[in-house]
Amino acid sequence: DAKTTQPPSMDCAEGRAANLPCNHSTISGNEYVYWYRQIHSQGPQYIIHGLKNNETNEMASLIITEDRKSSTLILPHATLRDTAVYYCIVRVAKGGSEKLVFGKGTKLTVNP
Amino acid sequence: GAVVSQHPSWVICKSGTSVKIECRSLDFQATTMFWYRQFPKQSLMLMATSNEGSKATYEQGVEKDKFLINHASLTLSTLTVTSAHPEDSSFYICSALHGGTAYEQYFGPGTRLTVT
Repeated sequence: DAKTTQPPSMDCAEGRAANLPCNHSTISGNEYVYWYRQIHSQGPQYIIHGLKNNETNEMASLIITEDRKSSTLILPHATLRDTAVYYCIVRVAKGGSEKLVFGKGTKLTVNP
Repeated sequence: GAVVSQHPSWVICKSGTSVKIECRSLDFQATTMFWYRQFPKQSLMLMATSNEGSKATYEQGVEKDKFLINHASLTLSTLTVTSAHPEDSSFYICSALHGGTAYEQYFGPGTRLTVT
């Protein structure tokens, strides 16, 4: 699975949009981009995933560049409860390794 | 959404004893479950992949005789830390692979193990 690069930390004001970048320049054509987050001392929580089209669900939006070498997770109106470590992972969804390899992620702090 | 539970949520044991941690998928069947370990201020590290009805696949450097994994049913996988030592103290997290259209993993809440 391709490696990802994320900034170690980011800050965001409550109520504003949080934009978390991820670089995955070696991504293969059949690899999806997944985002998880981990709130302190809890198990990771699935947020969203996508292949090449932008995706949106009730939690967030995922914007993938046309060349698929990078993506951005958008939390449209960040709240204090969104403070967590956010992990960007690329992997084959089916037919390949089902393992998730976690990097160091981005620690997002939402400030009041 | 899919729910995965773990039991116990925390456990304290004495050095040399064994501890069993359960991971259950509550509202879906999971032929594949995963076990991770997380030390303070570090990321999750995959320990092993657990497949229902077959032997677990361990990651390089993980002792299979020390971390026994059993996946006896489609909703239950167990991790037993044998002859635990203080360096085994960690946060153990399981996940279950949901084979639906989204094909994502759902994680349990984790088990905090402290070996004294």
